[in-house]
Amino acid sequence: SAVISQKPSRDICQRGTSLTIQCQVDSQVTMMFWYRQQPGQSLTLIATANQGSEATYESGFVIDKFPISRPNLTFSTLTVSNMSPEDSSIYLCSVGSGTSGATDTQYFGPGTRLTVL
Amino acid sequence: GENVEQHPSTLSVQEGDSAVIKCTYSDSASNYFPWYKQELGKGPQLIIDIRSNVGEKKDQRIAVTLNKTAKHFSLHITETQPEDSAVYFCAASKGNQFYFGTGTSLTVIP
Repeated sequence: SAVISQKPSRDICQRGTSLTIQCQVDSQVTMMFWYRQQPGQSLTLIATANQGSEATYESGFVIDKFPISRPNLTFSTLTVSNMSPEDSSIYLCSVGSGTSGATDTQYFGPGTRLTVL
Repeated sequence: GENVEQHPSTLSVQEGDSAVIKCTYSDSASNYFPWYKQELGKGPQLIIDIRSNVGEKKDQRIAVTLNKTAKHFSLHITETQPEDSAVYFCAASKGNQFYFGTGTSLTVIP
């Protein structure tokens, strides 16, 4: 499976500021995803990061709040904009295995633990 | 859309005993069912998965069973060890969309 790293691993931010989270994979992957995991909760898909085009957002998530970049097949960023305490969560990057984009499994990065004061 | 329910939400077992976690799903088109283990401060780790053309899969102390007719699947951990203590998530998938259960916090008591 791919080795996935995220930066930063954790951060404490002031409300109203923005934070950009980086996700780096050690091999080229077709599918990359961003999830949010609120404290003690399950995983919620924010968006699919598409290489060379705009990300595909799930219901309840918008580009202005969570802009995503995917400049190549090994890297993506998620920005949490104009943060409020409700944005305090773990943000997880995942990649789909294989190259077909079909029902491959997903592997997760270690996560970024964000606290907004 | 798909709805995945997971039970129990918490589970405590004595070391050496077995643990069973159950999930149900609603969309009969779902065809891939992974299980993830998440330790404190870490990302979810894939531990076992099963596809809809198989009824059971085993990997050492871990096994997963799938009943497509009833739309439920289960994780079985035998001979539990303290290092099995973690939160376990099931998921159901068709295509690239993964739908996760709400998680089971497993505690193995030494």
